[in-house]
Amino acid sequence: GAVVSQHPSWVICKSGTSVKIECRSLDFQATTMFWYRQFPKQSLMLMATSNEGSKATYEQGVEKDKFLINHASLTLSTLTVTSAHPEDSSFYICSARDRYSGTSLEQYFGPGTRLTVT
Amino acid sequence: QKEVEQNSGPLSVPEGAIASLNCTYSDRGSQSFFWYRQYSGKSPELIMFIYSNGDKEDGRFTAQLNKASQYVSLLIRDSQPSDSATYLCAVTPNDYKLSFGAGTTVTVRA
Repeated sequence: GAVVSQHPSWVICKSGTSVKIECRSLDFQATTMFWYRQFPKQSLMLMATSNEGSKATYEQGVEKDKFLINHASLTLSTLTVTSAHPEDSSFYICSARDRYSGTSLEQYFGPGTRLTVT
Repeated sequence: QKEVEQNSGPLSVPEGAIASLNCTYSDRGSQSFFWYRQYSGKSPELIMFIYSNGDKEDGRFTAQLNKASQYVSLLIRDSQPSDSATYLCAVTPNDYKLSFGAGTTVTVRA
């Protein structure tokens, strides 16, 4: 149980285009999902917290107009990288909390999406 | 000061030995502590979590937490080549957000 999927697993796009990444909780409902970015040899950096039915909360330094997050259902959150540039090339990972997990703080991670902007 | 600090390594241990990983955190109000393993090119996978002071054992892994010293560690007993990975310490300072350390790279020599 507690499986999170991401699509696509990898994507190459041209500079200036937009890319959408999907994050789905397959066997549980997630009121809260998180989006992370990981550059090579670095740790995961939280970009934003996605809450079902409300606006996402972005971490300091993350441009909300560039990284659009939509969490329209209890099983799906999307991250759209708008007007992508080579410096946006990274490994994007989502995670989700089970809405019925109570006080447990465990997050279930998706397999990640490798974005390369040329 | 970084919220979560780890030695980057690499930590090289012979097969069958104990690997010891350390992590310190800055926020005294932190409530939950997690250890993740991440293979190259993959997303993190949870090894174990610990909430209370003391030791917690799960198979070959033991997590140790000392809130007074703001220190959490992970011991890997009987290390195997398949344990070669980067180990990430993560802390929840005050809400559901995870704050990750930079990770310690472990190499188990056969």
